Amino acid sequence: QVQLVESGGGVVQPGRSLRLSCAASAFTLGNYAMHWVRQAPGKGLEWVAFISYDGSDEYYAHSVEGRFTVSRENSKNSLYLQINSLRVEDTAVYYCAREAGSSLDNWGQGTLVADSS
Amino acid sequence: SFELTQPPSVSLSPGQTAIITCSGDLLGDRHVSWYQQKPGQSPVLLMYQDSKRPSGIPERFSASNSGSTATLTISGTQALDEADYYCQAWDRGTDVVFGGGTKLTVL
Repeated sequence: QVQLVESGGGVVQPGRSLRLSCAASAFTLGNYAMHWVRQAPGKGLEWVAFISYDGSDEYYAHSVEGRFTVSRENSKNSLYLQINSLRVEDTAVYYCAREAGSSLDNWGQGTLVADSS
Repeated sequence: SFELTQPPSVSLSPGQTAIITCSGDLLGDRHVSWYQQKPGQSPVLLMYQDSKRPSGIPERFSASNSGSTATLTISGTQALDEADYYCQAWDRGTDVVFGGGTKLTVL
């Protein structure tokens, strides 16, 4: 069945950088737009970024624009999220999710990013 | 900016009907999706395009969207339905927006 597996999370000092990965299996990543969504501890879901199926379009939440970059390597069935200038408020579980129509129909298990302060 | 508003919590007894609302400006003009998230788990798509159920979602879950309010209804609520529920729509065709979430407690 469709599987999305995030990795790359960890404890990072504020101001430092981190790259998250999302490995897709059991479907052709290149046929789907993808999203990153995060959830701070005890809080709700917050959309972070979108990338079109071929990587030609990217959109970001205002809270991360200019610091986060989403990318993909369809040949490797992989999605990425580069996080620069980490802030305390970026602490969250980060999920990758597959877009199907107007919904996010499959989600990974998430990877935790935490600041070390 | 476009926002979706949900009640923070809903509580009811097993067997009752749960109604969770999601309000936003002219929400009926957009497609709404609903997600269920149980503690320690990832969100799961529950409803899409306002009222459609993905395969595997029980028929006791239904939804509608009209005017400025979308509604998720859980008929014959069971203890295993206890979870957080999020509505979701799109803003400007480019940004995904989630409601703040509703914690459903089955007493």
